[in-house]
Amino acid sequence: DIQMTQSPSSLSASVGDRVTITCRASQNISHYLNWYQQKPGKAPKLLIHSVSTLQSGVPSRFIASGSGTDFTLTISSLQAEDCATYHCQQSYTKPRTFGQGTNLE
Amino acid sequence: QVELRQWGPGLLKPSETLSLTCAVYVGSFSGNYWTWIRQTPEKGLEWIGEISHGGSANYNPSFKPRVTISVDRSKNQFSLKLTSVTAGDTATYYCARIPVATGGELLYLDYWGRGTPVLVSS
Repeated sequence: DIQMTQSPSSLSASVGDRVTITCRASQNISHYLNWYQQKPGKAPKLLIHSVSTLQSGVPSRFIASGSGTDFTLTISSLQAEDCATYHCQQSYTKPRTFGQGTNLE
Repeated sequence: QVELRQWGPGLLKPSETLSLTCAVYVGSFSGNYWTWIRQTPEKGLEWIGEISHGGSANYNPSFKPRVTISVDRSKNQFSLKLTSVTAGDTATYYCARIPVATGGELLYLDYWGRGTPVLVSS
């Protein structure tokens, strides 16, 4: 199985901060990387797919990049509503696997 | 806007069978894949398996041979069965949609159900 490792596991930031989360795959996954946002008690919500394509309705302050094994999700100016857990997920091969999540406070 | 509604028992005893169903309201059932994911604090999000609208299923080897995902096209529903549950199967279970991309690739999960918390306890 492809292991997805996110860092940091948790992060504390302030409104207006630039925040970056990283996701590393245990092998090359090309561009098959997605990001999900999950708020407490809610289902994950697709934020970005295929490395950098924003899902409809997602604010442009969410920026993602990467290829191969190393990927990043950046929030350019943190807003209060961005407090959530962020998960990366690879769709390169089955079983589909997720990172352990980054809790953004 | 695709809506997924899921249901099933929230409390099971060890060795029983977990059965969950997810219904697709609004949006096309055909032409998509449908998947089950579970989440625990210890392991995070785990992909259990997925099924095409035509009934072709793929499973995470970690859940074989206990898992079966099936589809009922007449009702726009798909279901999960997990046999011989243990405390380790205590989790929140989600159903979700995987749209089929133009090239036939299954890239991401774009619509999710609200989740069903399942507790396995004697």
